[in-house]
Amino acid sequence: EDKVVQSPLSLVVHEGDTVTLNCSYEVTNFRSLLWYKQEKKAPTFLFMLTSSGIEKKSGRLSSILDKKELFSILNITATQTGDSAIYLCAVHTGTASKLTFGTGTRLQVTL
Amino acid sequence: NAGVMQNPRHLVRRRGQEARLRCSPMKGHSHVYWYRQLPEEGLKFMVYLQKENIIDESGMPKERFSAEFPKEGPSILRIQQVVRGDSAAYFCASSPGRPMNTEAFFGQGTRLTVV
Repeated sequence: EDKVVQSPLSLVVHEGDTVTLNCSYEVTNFRSLLWYKQEKKAPTFLFMLTSSGIEKKSGRLSSILDKKELFSILNITATQTGDSAIYLCAVHTGTASKLTFGTGTRLQVTL
Repeated sequence: NAGVMQNPRHLVRRRGQEARLRCSPMKGHSHVYWYRQLPEEGLKFMVYLQKENIIDESGMPKERFSAEFPKEGPSILRIQQVVRGDSAAYFCASSPGRPMNTEAFFGQGTRLTVV
């Protein structure tokens, strides 16, 4: 059974800190890994990673994939209170049409 | 271009009643996915549909749950004879094709509460 594990489960930081969120996976026929941000409503897409070692960047967020060690990290620099959310990692496998999600990391950024 | 539209946003049903959740995909998207999120858990895949076809229902409970995506109109997730354990947030996502090269866009979800 495909498995996606995220750590930590929750995290509280001060505004301005840098955080690293982890996602490891054990799946068959890996195709891509996706990161989503979920506030009180719809998960919103952040990144899709398919190749190892290539960093994707969007403003203060960046992510990289290691297909040899089967993990990805999501970095957020200079955190702001608006970054408070649940960050979801999902893996798409080629033999199925579904995304397998981790349970998420709940990030809280305080003043 | 409106995003994925789900309705209702909140639904309260008594045990034994039926729940119908609707999802209108983004314009131009012909692939719909339903996920369920229990409190403090990640999203769990339920079913993947294309117009008039169920492609993968491996995550769907065998009884009481059904889904359809007709040629015209929204996709419907139907839960018959609801029980307390069905209380969850149900999210719909759509994509223009299978999500191998593109991300799936999620709706705002329907929060089902069974009392």
